[in-house]
Amino acid sequence: GGIITQTPKFLIGQEGQKLTLKCQQNFNHDTMYWYRQDSGKGLRLIYYSITENDLQKGDLSEGYDASREKKSSFSLTVTSAQKNEMAVFLCASSRGFSSAETLYFGSGTRLTVL
Amino acid sequence: GDSVTQTEGLVTLTEGLPVMLNCTYQSTYSPFLFWYVQHLNEAPKLLLKSFTDNKRPEHQGFHATLHKSSSSFHLQKSSAQLSDSALYYCALSDGNNAPRFGAGTKLSVKP
Repeated sequence: GGIITQTPKFLIGQEGQKLTLKCQQNFNHDTMYWYRQDSGKGLRLIYYSITENDLQKGDLSEGYDASREKKSSFSLTVTSAQKNEMAVFLCASSRGFSSAETLYFGSGTRLTVL
Repeated sequence: GDSVTQTEGLVTLTEGLPVMLNCTYQSTYSPFLFWYVQHLNEAPKLLLKSFTDNKRPEHQGFHATLHKSSSSFHLQKSSAQLSDSALYYCALSDGNNAPRFGAGTKLSVKP
């Protein structure tokens, strides 16, 4: 088995601030993802990385940057936090990018912007 | 592009009654369909996924049947338990695009 660790669990920021969320996995998976979870809107894809040196934009990439520092880690940066923004950011990984692969999720980072 | 539709935001039912959560999808390819479950304050985790040979996947009493003709993958269980209360996501993966998720259905089972 393995685990996905997201840090921090809770993140409070100020409007306009740049904020970074981190994700580590020890599955030795090739592919990693960032999703945003909002009530009633499901999980929306922000960025993903198919392999260690790859970076792909998702449907919700505007306002975010991502970095795959090494195979096991994938960071997400909120470039300018929006006032009253509240959401949970979920990191996930999968063995590869094939259609049959299961995603394994972290417990999330809950963002609040004051 | 790919999309997944879950029409019910909240399903409330009494323990012991059958469960059915709806999921329909659109895809250019022949995708795999998944159900993920997220209990309160936990990470989402796989509940079950479709097979290539049209076998019906089952797990923890839940099952789902992939109907390509109607582009559906509804989740069913014959008798709900209190512990089934959770958020359920239907997801699609086609191998050409990253997995896409539906809006989620919150299942609330009452005694």
